[in-house]
Amino acid sequence: SAVISQKPSRDICQRGTSLTIQCQVDSQVTMMFWYRQQPGQSLTLIATANQGSEATYESGFVIDKFPISRPNLTFSTLTVSNMSPEDSSIYLCSVMGVLNTEAFFGQGTRLTVV
Amino acid sequence: GESVGLHLPTLSVQEGDNSIINCAYSNSASDYFIWYKQESGKGPQFIIDIRSNMDKRQGQRVTVLLNKTVKHLSLQIAATQPGDSAVYFCAEKAGNMLTFGGGTRLMVKP
Repeated sequence: SAVISQKPSRDICQRGTSLTIQCQVDSQVTMMFWYRQQPGQSLTLIATANQGSEATYESGFVIDKFPISRPNLTFSTLTVSNMSPEDSSIYLCSVMGVLNTEAFFGQGTRLTVV
Repeated sequence: GESVGLHLPTLSVQEGDNSIINCAYSNSASDYFIWYKQESGKGPQFIIDIRSNMDKRQGQRVTVLLNKTVKHLSLQIAATQPGDSAVYFCAEKAGNMLTFGGGTRLMVKP
């Protein structure tokens, strides 16, 4: 399994500001993903972070709001831009295992927007 | 789009009893299914998986059953312990995409 580190683990931010979340993996992985988990709910895929090209966003998520970087095979960032209280969620980084079956997750970033 | 859902949002069981958590899925193209456990303040943790060409798979104290006829997935936990208290998610995989169910909170009473 991969070891995934996310920073920060939590933050409280003012509305209108932006927060960049970092995800570091201990091995090179092809596929990295970013999920959102709103309070008391399940996980929703935001986008697939592609190394060397633009991220692939799911329906309802756009690059201007959630810009993603993937400079190499072990690192990615997700920015939550122009935040509002509705963006308060847990944001999770995920990678696919070497068998391309199960996904492994970081511990998440708990974001509260006030 | 197609989605994965669960029947019970909260399940309360006595310590030592068996737990059964259910999940319905709708994407017949899904070829792989996974159960995750999420404890408070942590990311989802892999528990057990099953491929679509199987109907049962056993792990340590856990069993996953897959019924493709009715598109139903279940997780059975034997001799439930306090450490099993968490939210459990099923997920289905089609291609490279994982779709998660709504989650069931398992509460274990001492």
